Amino acid sequence: EADIYQTPRYLVIGTGKKITLECSQTMGHDKMYWYQQDPGMELHLIHYSYGVNSTEKGDLSSESTVSRIRTEHFPLTLESARPSHTSQYLCASLAFGRGDNEQFFGPGTRLTVL
Amino acid sequence: QKEVEQDPGPLSVPEGAIVSLNCTYSNSAFQYFMWYRQYSRKGPELLMYTYSSGNKEDGRFTAQVDKSSKYISLFIRDSQPSDSATYLCAMSADTGGFKTIFGAGTRLFVKA
Repeated sequence: EADIYQTPRYLVIGTGKKITLECSQTMGHDKMYWYQQDPGMELHLIHYSYGVNSTEKGDLSSESTVSRIRTEHFPLTLESARPSHTSQYLCASLAFGRGDNEQFFGPGTRLTVL
Repeated sequence: QKEVEQDPGPLSVPEGAIVSLNCTYSNSAFQYFMWYRQYSRKGPELLMYTYSSGNKEDGRFTAQVDKSSKYISLFIRDSQPSDSATYLCAMSADTGGFKTIFGAGTRLFVKA
């Protein structure tokens, strides 16, 4: 079954901690994305990747980093969490083409930094 | 100026009404146009996908793209309370790694 997974779903952590948000997809999609979304607010792209060993920063300035060593895995890391990082983080994978419109979002990780 | 503009609403309609949701954009390179639905505390889910200009219909939903006006629309016929959600338009181009730009989302409430 095709799906996209994010762990953890909820995380409460203290300031200064290093955290990694996991994202995995089983569809073999080349393109993957991380978005940040505050409650009731718009999605902001923070990182994207269009294949293994390719990553780019998005539109929103972010203190996070990503890696893409395997097609199915796109983790996001915060080296030193701060309260300003409190938000929901959504991972997505896409296979775009004129006849292929598969696009999936994960369930999100709700991060709270105390 | 944002690349994609979308009225955040909220939009409140009675059950059975026809709903019209719209977005405008500034980047003429956009070729792929999507509409997502997002329920509270959930990730967005793809509703409609259109490549280039034209109309696409799927059940009660119709998506329209007018590239000459840089304007896209989503129509919902016979709206139901279960349609109450935030609707986000999104678009992307062949360049830049298919970076997808989202609108701010329109909150829709369908009253029974």
